Amino acid sequence: EAGVAQSPRYKIIEKRQSVAFWCNPISGHATLYWYQQILGQGPKLLIQFQNNGVVDDSQLPKDRFSAERLKGVDSTLKIQPAKLEDSAVYLCASSRAPETQYFGPGTRLLVL
Amino acid sequence: ELKVEQNPLFLSMQEGKNYTIYCNYSTTSDRLYWYRQDPGKSLESLFVLLSNGAVKQEGRLMASLDTKARLSTLHITAAVHDLSATYFCAVRAGNQFYFGTGTSLTVIP
Repeated sequence: EAGVAQSPRYKIIEKRQSVAFWCNPISGHATLYWYQQILGQGPKLLIQFQNNGVVDDSQLPKDRFSAERLKGVDSTLKIQPAKLEDSAVYLCASSRAPETQYFGPGTRLLVL
Repeated sequence: ELKVEQNPLFLSMQEGKNYTIYCNYSTTSDRLYWYRQDPGKSLESLFVLLSNGAVKQEGRLMASLDTKARLSTLHITAAVHDLSATYFCAVRAGNQFYFGTGTSLTVIP
């Protein structure tokens, strides 16, 4: 079974630029999560999808972050415009049920 | 917001020794998770604890949950170098998942 795929793996941008991350979950997993992990901290859940509907986005900074999951499969997370404090690893995870989440390799974002 | 605290934050232990990592959380939760993260890598699920008194074991790791005390422990038995990693606990509250700050474990030969 293929794991969660993410791209790009690394991204360097300047502040005020835009960036987008892509996630392809494990086949058949209805639930998809986006996390932000700042260096030295635990992951912070930004948004959770069930199929193509949003379950929870209470910790998503909606003035600059947006996410969508078209057709209930792949998902994209966008930051526009980026700030220095957005430098982090962005992790995508998927699950059949909430009990076990499978994480992708992450996208490392550096904002200069 | 739910708070999840782990201690210690850093742990250096000799091979063959035993130790326990503690995870405290601030409000009622019905799920407790333990993950492992190797440097530069993503998270790997270790345990899911679903009820008070739950205990799960895999190899040299054993996790337990006391929902009344809002405490979970991850016990390491006879540590080996391969266990060196950062360990996170996470708590589910409603639709949200809250992670602790992690415990960085280094096992010294």
